[in-house]
Amino acid sequence: DTGVSQNPRHKITKRGQNVTFRCDPISEHNRLYWYRQTLGQGPEFLTYFQNEAQLEKSRLLSDRFSAERPKGSFSTLEIQRTEQGDSAMYLCASSWDGESNQPQHFGDGTRLSIL
Amino acid sequence: AQTVTQSQPEMSVQEAETVTLSCTYDTSESDYYLFWYKQPPSRQMILVIRQEAYKQQNATENRFSVNFQKAAKSFSLKISDSQLGDAAMYFCAYRSANFGNEKLTFGTGTRLTIIP
Repeated sequence: DTGVSQNPRHKITKRGQNVTFRCDPISEHNRLYWYRQTLGQGPEFLTYFQNEAQLEKSRLLSDRFSAERPKGSFSTLEIQRTEQGDSAMYLCASSWDGESNQPQHFGDGTRLSIL
Repeated sequence: AQTVTQSQPEMSVQEAETVTLSCTYDTSESDYYLFWYKQPPSRQMILVIRQEAYKQQNATENRFSVNFQKAAKSFSLKISDSQLGDAAMYFCAYRSANFGNEKLTFGTGTRLTIIP
C-alpha cells in the first residue's frame, strides 16, 4: 500500500494560465475523490469517480474545471483560465466500495498559488 | 444539505491530559457515517476514528474515543493521555449511507496544541 500520490506538490502560475494536477489512488481502490481546501477551512467536495465514471460534481466545479479518470486508474484535474480565487490546496482521496463504511484515504495535496 | 459545525477553532491541552473536541451536524437522514480526521501541519489528512450511525456503541481506537449522541446530533472526540504528536488540525466529517452520495462534508476544524 503506497498510499494516494499527488503531483505536483506545489504549483505556482500566473492568472489566466491552465494547470493540470494528477492523482494516483491506492491500487485496489475504485473510488476517487477531489476536494479543495482553502486556508483555515475544511476540505470542500468537488467531484468523485466510481471506476472511470464521474458520478457527482459539486456546484463549486465551474465550467473552467474538468476532471477525468481514464481507464479507472489515475485521475487528472484541470483548471482553465485560472483566477486568484482558485488558490487553494487540492486534495485527492480514494476508497474501496467493498464495504459501505470504508474511509477515504487522502494524498498530500497539490498547493496551487495564482500570481 | 448536511452541515457540520465545529465551534472550537483552537484548543490546547497539557501533555498527558485529556481533551474533548466538539462537533455537531445537521441532517435529515437516519443512516450515515461520522469521521474524525487529523491533519498535521503540511502533512496529509489521516483517519482517526469512525462511527456508524446505526451503532449505539461509541467507537474507540486506543487513546481516541467518541461520544456519539444521535438525537442531539453531536459527535465529540476525546483524546486521552495527550501526546506531542497529537498536535494537528482535527476535522469532523459526515457521509451519507446512501449509495451514490459518497462525498464527505467537513467542519471548519479545530487546531489542537499540546503544551509540554
